[in-house]
Amino acid sequence: EDQVTQSPEALRLQEGESSSLNCSYTVSGLRGLFWYRQDPGKGPEFLFTLYSAGEEKEKERLKATLTKKESFLHITAPKPEDSATYLCAVQAGSGGGADGLTFGKGTHLIIQP
Amino acid sequence: DAGIIQSPKHEVTEMGQTVTLRCEPIFGHNFLFWYRDTFVQGLELLSYFRSRSIIDNAGMPTERFSAERPDGSFSTLKIQPAEQGDSAVYVCASRPGDHEQYFGPGTRLTVT
Repeated sequence: EDQVTQSPEALRLQEGESSSLNCSYTVSGLRGLFWYRQDPGKGPEFLFTLYSAGEEKEKERLKATLTKKESFLHITAPKPEDSATYLCAVQAGSGGGADGLTFGKGTHLIIQP
Repeated sequence: DAGIIQSPKHEVTEMGQTVTLRCEPIFGHNFLFWYRDTFVQGLELLSYFRSRSIIDNAGMPTERFSAERPDGSFSTLKIQPAEQGDSAVYVCASRPGDHEQYFGPGTRLTVT
């Protein structure tokens, strides 16, 4: 069974204080690892897709990296508008439901001004 | 750029009633997914379609849940009869082929 574990569950940072969010996964054949951002009352908003170990992607203050067992979402010099829940999800490569995503429970990030 | 439309935004119903939730995916998206979002479990896949065919519904919690996509466009998720434990946010997603999924705002269901 595919599993995704995110840590920490919650993180409070000062504006400008860089940090990293972790996503550990167990999956039978990884087709893709996805990062989403979710604001209260809204659906998840797509950030990144990573396909293979060693791959990195960046967008503004966010950078996602991938190894064979985990992914990190690095946040550099965050601003209050980066406050949100960050979700990690994996797409497995075989079996029934191979197109669906298995999500972690998310990291609730608060950036204080 | 029209996103995914889910209706209603909020649904309050009594135990034993039938609930029907609707999802209009992004135009041209072949795949459509239904997820349930709870505080305890987070987002969990219920079922998904490719065009009008249901590909997997192994995540449906019981036979009280059913999903349809009759013409390959909109989809409905029906709960019949509803129970208190069904209270959750039901989120629809869609994607065009083998790409990332785009998510709707969800329908918050409360069963009293």
